[in-house]
Amino acid sequence: ETGVTQTPRHLVMGMTNKKSLKCEQHLGHNAMYWYKQSAKKPLELMFVYNFKEQTENNSVPSRFSPECPNSSHLFLHLHTLQPEDSALYLCASSQERGGAFYEQYFGPGTRLTVT
Amino acid sequence: GQNIDQPTEMTATEGAIVQINCTYQTSGFNGLFWYQQHAGEAPTFLSYNVLDGLEEKGRFSSFLSRSKGYSYLLLKELQMKDSASYLCAVEYGNKLVFGAGTILRVKS
Repeated sequence: ETGVTQTPRHLVMGMTNKKSLKCEQHLGHNAMYWYKQSAKKPLELMFVYNFKEQTENNSVPSRFSPECPNSSHLFLHLHTLQPEDSALYLCASSQERGGAFYEQYFGPGTRLTVT
Repeated sequence: GQNIDQPTEMTATEGAIVQINCTYQTSGFNGLFWYQQHAGEAPTFLSYNVLDGLEEKGRFSSFLSRSKGYSYLLLKELQMKDSASYLCAVEYGNKLVFGAGTILRVKS
């Protein structure tokens, strides 16, 4: 248990569906991240939120839309996905202080399958 | 690019020592992390190196050479539960770039 929770743990959706992934951190951190993990490929950073402001969008297609209503919650809204978007989606959080980088704590991930 | 290279798979025997190497582009380097990820679980933090040298933490140690763009994770007294993927991640600016991970299989 890392203090970062994600729901749902598994999701199967069709290409025309709209769904949302949720992440919540109980660590008092001020930065949150979305990563995509595909088989045999490196973790790919998708979005970074620092103090609720999006500071990084790593050229992610617009069919992925993040939302960070407060420093404890992060959402990833999904619509009109493609089969190649099937992957494990990981949320992480960390404490950023004056540009210094501290270790990230990961949630268990959502295993997404697009049919 | 910011390629992070590590071996795809390694196999070692219970009780032995194994070294997992990681090489990276040195330009813009701020620090290096090692994470452990068991199948179907979240990555968990193992170590962080920012200065040259060896950081020891129980059975796990991590080494860094900034000038060579090289790090390794050393696992001693291997246990079956150490079977997992080990991820090398480099901090470039405010971004963490991950390697593809090394799958370690520990056999009895």
